Amino acid sequence: DVQLVESGGDLVQPGGSLRLSCAASGFTVISNYMSWVRQAPGKGLEWVSIIYSDNFIYYGDSVKGRFTISRDTSKNTLYLQMDSLRPEDTAVYYCARGGGNIMPSDYWGRGTLVTVSS
Amino acid sequence: DIQMTQSPSSLSASVGDRVIITCRASQGISNSLAWYQQKPGKAPKLLLFAASSLHSGAPSRFSGGGSGTYYTLTISSLQPEDFATYYCHQYYSSPPWTFGQGTKVEIK
Repeated sequence: DVQLVESGGDLVQPGGSLRLSCAASGFTVISNYMSWVRQAPGKGLEWVSIIYSDNFIYYGDSVKGRFTISRDTSKNTLYLQMDSLRPEDTAVYYCARGGGNIMPSDYWGRGTLVTVSS
Repeated sequence: DIQMTQSPSSLSASVGDRVIITCRASQGISNSLAWYQQKPGKAPKLLLFAASSLHSGAPSRFSGGGSGTYYTLTISSLQPEDFATYYCHQYYSSPPWTFGQGTKVEIK
């Protein structure tokens, strides 16, 4: 069965950094497009970033230059390095298999909460 | 960026009702349109993709339609487990890919 489990969410001060992890099972992250999507408390969904199987990477304008998506094939894990965090980055962060302009993300993790506050 | 506008923002309906949610894109998206269902505290679940293709495991009472800039999600007979928030999502062409603001379906 496909499973995605995020971790790493925490309370962090503005300007701080955090690294989120997403452990995948039932498929390999290297062979799939992988995405991060976030949801601010009580708000809708916002696409954050995608890494293609051929290593093309894209970011949303609100996180470009501050967030970095990557993956570790030996651990079958997706990461999101978040630097220069702002209060408006407060959200539940979901990792998802797939995404891009061919097929939407079909399986999502349960999410991890990032709170940016002093 | 392509803006997605869902309507209504919320609705109240009874079990057995037929429910229609609409989604309008700010430009044509060539059926690159998905629908997700999200329950409180849970991850979104994919229901439909390519505007009208049912995702594996999604109940057949869910159907999608539309073209160009206008799309619909229809629940033919609302079931108790369908009370949730629904999001449309465009994945046309280049990023950023965007979501509608959501439609909350509540029990009447």
